[in-house]
Parts: sequence; structure tokens; C-alpha cells
Amino acid sequence: EVQLVESGGGLVQPGGSLRLSCAASGFTFSSYDMHWVRQATGKGLEWVSAIGTAGDTYYPGSVKGRFTISRENAKNSLYLQMNSLRAGDTAVYYCAREGDYGEFDYWGQGTLVTVSS
Amino acid sequence: QSALTQPASVSGSPGQSITISCTGTSSDVGGYNYVSWYQQHPGKAPKLMIYEVSNRPSGVSNRFSGSKSGNTASLTISGLQAEDEADYYCSSYTSSSPVVFGGGTKLTVL
Repeated sequence: EVQLVESGGGLVQPGGSLRLSCAASGFTFSSYDMHWVRQATGKGLEWVSAIGTAGDTYYPGSVKGRFTISRENAKNSLYLQMNSLRAGDTAVYYCAREGDYGEFDYWGQGTLVTVSS
Repeated sequence: QSALTQPASVSGSPGQSITISCTGTSSDVGGYNYVSWYQQHPGKAPKLMIYEVSNRPSGVSNRFSGSKSGNTASLTISGLQAEDEADYYCSSYTSSSPVVFGGGTKLTVL
């Protein structure tokens, strides 16, 4: 059974940093592109970052230069290093596996990040 | 990359059919067949309902179907049931980023 379990969320002050983790199991982690998607309370889904099987990374303009996605295949783990956090980064952060046709076929349960003083 | 355009809300009675539209551009929806749809119940993670425009993952009811015409994709739910009440999001591959989501549509089953 495919499982994705996020951790590392919490309360952080503006300008602070946080590192999210996503533990994957039930599939060959190294063979899949992985993503982070966030959702502010009452708002829609927003793509945050992606990492390919070769380690290539992608970001939208809203987080580029502040967030860094990485993976450790030996540990079946995905990470998101978030620096210079802003109130607007407050959201539930999901990790998701990308299937063969660009779809996100499996999602974690999410971890809440709150940026506030 | 701008979000894809979805209606904020749609509604229907049990047993009826509804359609949710998802409008993009030739750089996303119109240019690729990598359109997906997700269902999200309150407090839950999104669930994949349709991928590659019209394919259903194993376990998803055949009451859910997808299609595309030009720059607009559509999700149709037939035989509406109370448990279909949820938020629905479309997504597409784009020429400038791996994915863009729609703003979401709240489905109310009357």
C-alpha cells in the first residue's frame, strides 16, 4: 500500500525557517517524480515545488529562491526546506506522487505550517 | 502561470448530472492531454478522480467522467449522490511549469 506521511509543520515567526519531511512507503520511491502542494485555509490548491527522479527541481515564482525541495532515495524521503517565511506561506502542505500522465495519484495527509509572530 | 478557471460553485439534486468546467489556454489545457481532476472533502487530502483528460483510476466510480474541447476541460458527475458533495479541482501540465491547478469548485448536493 502506497503511503506518504508528512511531518515537520508547526508555528514559525515571519522570516524564520522550517524543514518539512515526507516519508514514502509501498512503492519504489526513486522511480517517481514528487511534489509539494499547499492549501491555505479556505483556499484552493497551490503547487509549491517538484523534483524529478534525476534530482531536477522546479518552483513557481512565489517560492523560488526561498524554498528548496530535495530527496533522499536511500531513506525514501522527500524534503522541503522553507526559508524567509511569510504570513502568506501559512497553509497545509501536502506531498504528492506524480503518476505517468502528470497526475498526482497519491497524497499525504498534510502538515500545517503557520507563520505568525 | 495563472490558475485555471473553474466556477466557484455548482449544485444539483440527487440522481441528476452536473458538469464542472475548467478553462485554460493553449499553453496548458489546450496544448496537452495531461488534465486531471481531484475531489476533496473537508479536512481531507485531495483524491484523484480523473487523469489524462478522461481516464478513471481503479476504484473510482464510473459516474465520474472527463472530457476536453479546445482550452476547456470538463468533469461530469452523473447520478449525483450525497457523498459527491465536495470541492473539485482540475489541474493541467503547462508549457512553463509542471502543473497548474484550477481555483476549485464547491459542489452542493441539494
